[in-house]
Parts: sequence; structure tokens; C-alpha cells
Amino acid sequence: AQSVTQLGSHVSVSEGALVLLRCNYSSSVPPYLFWYVQYPNQGLQLLLKYTTGATLVKGINGFEAEFKKSETSFHLTKPSAHMSDAAEYFCAVSGGGANNLFFGTGTRLTVIP
Amino acid sequence: GAGVSQTPSNKVTEKGKYVELRCDPISGHTALYWYRQSLGQGPEFLIYFQGTGAADDSGLPNDRFFAVRPEGSVSTLKIQRTERGDSAVYLCASSFGGLNTGELFFGEGSRLTVL
Repeated sequence: AQSVTQLGSHVSVSEGALVLLRCNYSSSVPPYLFWYVQYPNQGLQLLLKYTTGATLVKGINGFEAEFKKSETSFHLTKPSAHMSDAAEYFCAVSGGGANNLFFGTGTRLTVIP
Repeated sequence: GAGVSQTPSNKVTEKGKYVELRCDPISGHTALYWYRQSLGQGPEFLIYFQGTGAADDSGLPNDRFFAVRPEGSVSTLKIQRTERGDSAVYLCASSFGGLNTGELFFGEGSRLTVL
């Protein structure tokens, strides 16, 4: 069984400040981990993913995430927040050959000018 | 367009009615997924097709829900005897390869409101 927990349903940061969105996963098999972003009135869009190899993964729009097996975490970061980053962010997990994703409950990011 | 298309974008119905939601995936994508997203929640898996067959329907909540993909392209999610608790955004996604090499591409969803 696989699941993810996103700590903090709402996160507010000032423009230019560090963005840190937390995700912890549970998986009985080596996980594939994903971050998706959902802008208002738009479909979910893939930000980045980890499958195998390098544990630090870089995605679109300056976001990156690090897979830490010892901490069962896959936190999303961005050094400097931009107003356009305001959206809902979802962490998701898959694995074991499963062709499916299990999503967390999401974190809504607000960027304060 | 080149993306996943879902119709209708909004559907309001009365309790007890029958509803169909349509998904047109990206051309060439063999895998198609249905998810349900309730207010304040993440997407919840309903069913996954590989080609014409349902490879995994373990997420369908009960026998009022059914989905088909007769020609391996367009899919229809069917909900019988709708209940107020069925109100949610129904998301469709498609992919070409497995998740280790590909990604899920999502449509904008069909918002269902059951009065």
C-alpha cells in the first residue's frame, strides 16, 4: 500500500522568500514520487518526478525536490517565490510496477507581495 | 487541441438522475485514468484503462459507477442514481508509457453538482 502525507494545507510566503512544501510518503516498495501543480481553473500539471537515480530532482519553474529514503520524504523547494507560484501543489506516490498515482491532500501556496 | 479534453465542464443534476462524463485523451495514449477530487481533497483514484480493458477498477466506490472505453480512445464515466455525495470534480488523465518513463496528463475536469 502507498500513501502520502502533506504537512500544511496552507502555506504563505513573501515574494522572493524560500518556498518549502513538505511531503512524506509510505510505500512497501521502492517509490516513484511526483509533484503536481494545479492553477485555478486548470488541469494538474507535472512539476517534477523521481523514479530512480539522482535523488535531487529539478523541475519546471525553478522547483526542485530531494528524495530522502531515510526520512521517507520528498519535500518541494524553490529558492525565491514568485507571485505566479500561487497555486495548489500535490505530492503523489506510485511504485512496484503499479501504473497508478496516489495523491496527498494538497498544499495551497499563497505568495504575499 | 492536443491535451486531454473533458466534457461537460460543469454538470448540475438532481438526486437520482443518471449522468455521463466524457474524456477524450491525448492521441496515441494507451492508458487512461479517472480520478475524483472532492473539495479540499487530493485526487482519488477511480479506474484505470489500458487499451479497451479496465486494468484496475478498485477505486470505483460502488456499483452505481461504471466506465467504458470501447475503442481504446474516448472513455465515458457513468453514474447511476446520483447522490449528493457524488458531487465532486471528476478528472481524466492519459499517458503513453508507464510512470517510470512517462507522466499522466490531466484534463481540466468535469464538475458535477448533485442537488
